[in-house]
Amino acid sequence: RKEVEQDPGPFNVPEGATVAFNCTYSNSASQSFFWYRQDCRKEPKLLMSVYSSGNEDGRFTAQLNRASQYISLLIRDSKLSDSATYLCVVNEGNTPLVFGKGTRLSVIA
Amino acid sequence: DAGVIQSPRHEVTEMGQEVTLRCKPISGHDYLFWYRQTMMRGLELLIYFNNNVPIDDSGMPEDRFSAKMPNASFSTLKIQPSEPRDSAVYFCASSSGTETYEQYFGPGTRLTVT
Repeated sequence: RKEVEQDPGPFNVPEGATVAFNCTYSNSASQSFFWYRQDCRKEPKLLMSVYSSGNEDGRFTAQLNRASQYISLLIRDSKLSDSATYLCVVNEGNTPLVFGKGTRLSVIA
Repeated sequence: DAGVIQSPRHEVTEMGQEVTLRCKPISGHDYLFWYRQTMMRGLELLIYFNNNVPIDDSGMPEDRFSAKMPNASFSTLKIQPSEPRDSAVYFCASSSGTETYEQYFGPGTRLTVT
């Protein structure tokens, strides 16, 4: 199975900061990309899809670079409630999703 | 609507015992996935079903693990005999065939084998 690599962190940032996570994937045939969020001791939940043109959802911006095979997630104006683990997820086609191990974010007051 | 339901939420058992984890997917979803999550290995796909049929079980660690889906609303993951290295959080997830990228996870079963 192909790999999805993420910096595990933790990223410790103050409230209001901007923080960015990157993720690389090894399968160049990967077709679609997502970020999931997992709160401590909870289940993963879909945060947002990642499109080639980039997409924004409030304070969150996701981007895809197919040539370099990486995906990014930018969080602006961090809130305490953003503290969680962010999982980079890749769909390689007619197979289930491939999850990265996650990047842990801690937003500090 | 109820989400994915898993039981039990916590299980503590002794090495060598049989463990059965249960899952009820979201009604109408035709894909069901079993995952295991540990700090070291992250989220690992064990097996998945489509319309109650096992499609890929290559992630099942060994013969001690087995999974069934007797109908569209119920699945089990069984470990027999259990070992301490099986300690992990086991998640069940389901999705609709038309949108397989969005998987809905259950709350997980935290298994501890002593």
